[in-house]
Amino acid sequence: KNEVEQSPQNLTAQEGEFITINCSYSVGISALHWLQQHPGGGIVSLFMLSSGKKKHGRLIATINIQEKHSSLHITASHPRDSAVYICAVLRAAGNKLTFGGGTRVLVKP
Amino acid sequence: EAGVAQSPRYKIIEKRQSVAFWCNPISGHATLYWYQQILGQGPKLLIQFQNNGVVDDSQLPKDRFSAERLKGVDSTLKIQPAKLEDSAVYLCASSLGGDRNYGYTFGSGTRLTVV
Repeated sequence: KNEVEQSPQNLTAQEGEFITINCSYSVGISALHWLQQHPGGGIVSLFMLSSGKKKHGRLIATINIQEKHSSLHITASHPRDSAVYICAVLRAAGNKLTFGGGTRVLVKP
Repeated sequence: EAGVAQSPRYKIIEKRQSVAFWCNPISGHATLYWYQQILGQGPKLLIQFQNNGVVDDSQLPKDRFSAERLKGVDSTLKIQPAKLEDSAVYLCASSLGGDRNYGYTFGSGTRLTVV
């Protein structure tokens, strides 16, 4: 079993729909990142969370440390949101990231 | 603030040739990472530097891969000789290091194709 699990693996939505991506982890962490990667592109850090909730524009990220679970929400989705979204946890011991397998999101106009 | 700079952006080489990638981290970031991301997979850590010292290179194929971070700033990753399975995106990232919760930033990556 992977230490960081994401679901779903693939997601197709119509423009305007609300999207949720989930991340569960099994190790102790000091922080969790949500990353975005467009096809052929580098990785952009969207959020870094250690507790609670963060919002940036149409993106919302939440984390529940007790349940070892985080969610990324995209409100009013747009075709430009089409990308791979990756959950990565920063282990409590050592300054290293462990990555989830990513969720491929396609938003159709 | 300038981001993590990587070059080249793309590289195509034949198998058995050698190749080198360059990374310039964010100024002041003590920790530098090289990741390999094969198509359809998440990034895999190859090597982690703290200043100019190696912290973790356990997943670096040392028979063909080498990396250095002279003076604790820029870093180069070299593959010699390349194999077909080395085709991937090579990502460089840096962080402040002292405070583990802050500053983790990725470069735009180098896409390597080995033919």
